[in-house]
Amino acid sequence: EVQLLESGGGLVQPGGSLRLSCAASGFTFSSYAMSWVRQAPGKGLEWVSTISVTGGTTNNADSVKGRFTLSRDNSKNTLSLQMNSLRAEDTAIYYCAKCRTRSMGWNTFDIWGQGTKVTVSS
Amino acid sequence: QSALTQPPSASGSPGQSVTISCTGTSSDVGDYNFVSWYRQHPGKAPILLIYEVSKRPSGVPDRFSGSKSGNTASLTVSGLQADDDADYYCSSYAGSNQVYVFGTGTKVTVL
Repeated sequence: EVQLLESGGGLVQPGGSLRLSCAASGFTFSSYAMSWVRQAPGKGLEWVSTISVTGGTTNNADSVKGRFTLSRDNSKNTLSLQMNSLRAEDTAIYYCAKCRTRSMGWNTFDIWGQGTKVTVSS
Repeated sequence: QSALTQPPSASGSPGQSVTISCTGTSSDVGDYNFVSWYRQHPGKAPILLIYEVSKRPSGVPDRFSGSKSGNTASLTVSGLQADDDADYYCSSYAGSNQVYVFGTGTKVTVL
């Protein structure tokens, strides 16, 4: 069964850092681009970042550029999102999502994890 | 990149059909056939219903169909069932810098 399991969420103060992880199973992880999508409380979905199959290229939403870094370890089937300089507006549920193909663009998010909650507050 | 525009709500009785619109621009929906639709129940993760405008992943019933005309995509849910009571989101590939944009979301109520 294809599965994505996020971890690492929690409460952090403004300006702080947090590292989210996503453990993938049930598919050939190294063959697909991977992404993070977030959802603020009571709000809609927002694309955050996408990483290439090798991990050599990432694309980020303007709202997180320069603060969030996406990486992957294909030997461990894991995806990581390092979040620095966190702001109150980063408060959201963060979903790990598998892209349908290996392409970073022209793609869709076909499998989603259950999400991990991040709260940025003093 | 601005969010795609969806109606806040839609409703229908069991067995009826409901259609949800998703309006973007010539830089996203209008320029690419990479529109997707997702359904999300409260407290749950989204699930993919439609990709590339009108394709259904395996396991998604043919009650769900998608189309596009110009800058507007649409999702039609036929034969409404109680389980269709949920939030629906569209998304589109938006080209430059390989970004993706989501819709504002539509709450579908099965009466």
